[in-house]
Amino acid sequence: GESVGLHLPTLSVQEGDNSIINCAYSNSASDYFIWYKQESGKGPQFIIDIRSNMDKRQGQRVTVLLNKTVKHLSLQIAATQPGDSAVYFCAENQYNFNKFYFGSGTKLNVKP
Amino acid sequence: GAVVSQHPSRVICKSGTSVKIECRSLDFQATTMFWYRQFPKQSLMLMATSNEGSKATYEQGVEKDKFLINHASLTLSTLTVTSAHPEDSSFYICSASPSPGQSRFGGMNTEAFFGQGTRLTVV
Repeated sequence: GESVGLHLPTLSVQEGDNSIINCAYSNSASDYFIWYKQESGKGPQFIIDIRSNMDKRQGQRVTVLLNKTVKHLSLQIAATQPGDSAVYFCAENQYNFNKFYFGSGTKLNVKP
Repeated sequence: GAVVSQHPSRVICKSGTSVKIECRSLDFQATTMFWYRQFPKQSLMLMATSNEGSKATYEQGVEKDKFLINHASLTLSTLTVTSAHPEDSSFYICSASPSPGQSRFGGMNTEAFFGQGTRLTVV
């Protein structure tokens, strides 16, 4: 399958700071990406998605940036809160195929 | 968001027995569902694609006779771990995506929604 990897396995931030989680992907044919949040013992939770015809998409407190030239994704979380502490995965697939391949994950620790 | 229900959430079984895990999409139809496996502190590994009305397709290295998948309806897929061994102990997670034309949950594509996972322990 496709290879999707992350630069940082763990990230610690202070409550209220902004967080940036990065992800690299290797399949240039991938054109749809999702960021998921996974809390301990639970399934992944959808956060935000982006298609390859965009380079930025914003949600509530979160922004996803896509750089297709270098095959890189990032997730920005504004004003990080303790409830944001979790493992974050990026996942990729090809348009109209719902099969997702996941990166290795980044654990976000938010310090109060 | 959409709801995908997985049952059971936890199961302990003896070596050599079989265990069935159910995945249901509660408020949408899904012609395709996916099964993942996750080891502690690792990412989700795609095991197979469950296709309603046809055979499942398995990722390379996944034994189809070991992990039986049945997609009996547009809202239900089951994964049966046969002749379970302790090394099959893992967290199994399913996902489902709305069928084309049903995506209405805010995602840009047919986004995948995940069940809560099943913790399988084989003793």
